[in-house]
Amino acid sequence: DAGVIQSPRHEVTEMGQEVTLRCKPISGHNSLFWYRQTMMRGLELLIYFNNNVPIDDSGMPEDRFSAKMPNASFSTLKIQPSEPRDSAVYFCASSLLAGSWETQYFGPGTRLLVL
Amino acid sequence: SQQGEEDPQALSIQEGENATMNCSYKTSINNLQWYRQNSGRGLVHLILIRSNEREKHSGRLRVTLDTSKKSSSLLITASRAADTASYFCATDQGNSGGSNYKLTFGKGTLLTVNP
Repeated sequence: DAGVIQSPRHEVTEMGQEVTLRCKPISGHNSLFWYRQTMMRGLELLIYFNNNVPIDDSGMPEDRFSAKMPNASFSTLKIQPSEPRDSAVYFCASSLLAGSWETQYFGPGTRLLVL
Repeated sequence: SQQGEEDPQALSIQEGENATMNCSYKTSINNLQWYRQNSGRGLVHLILIRSNEREKHSGRLRVTLDTSKKSSSLLITASRAADTASYFCATDQGNSGGSNYKLTFGKGTLLTVNP
């Protein structure tokens, strides 16, 4: 299996631009997570999907952030408009089932820099 | 938000030595996981320990859990230069029944193993 695939790996954009991050989870996994990692705040859960349905978006910082999962093999995280404080590494992770005992498989991350 | 906290923040040792990292948390847990992150990569699951377990082994890894002290330790024996990475604990502390999928990550211990 190719593992969790994320694109792009790096993104540099200017403040105010729209940014779309993409994720392909491991085939057969039912749960998908979007995380943000910064030095200051560590790894934060942004949103969680189960069977393509958003279950918990309490970690989404504000309305500028949105996420979709139109099917079991694709998810997007969109930031519109982007701001410099959104600069971070964004990870997508998937797990076979929902549960804190389940192994989460992380993608390589998208490193976002907003100028 | 409550987080597991790793101690120390950074650890530098020589190849062949043992490395011990600690994780503390604030509320009761059901599960605790340890993950590893190489520089510029996604997190990789190492081991899971459940609240009714006190110790688990996996290869050169030994994990202990003391629920009375709300702490866990990760021991890497006979360390190698390739073990150089950041190590994170992740707990389900603070999860209510409907959110038992969530993992809360600490900020990690940066381990450097010098050849």
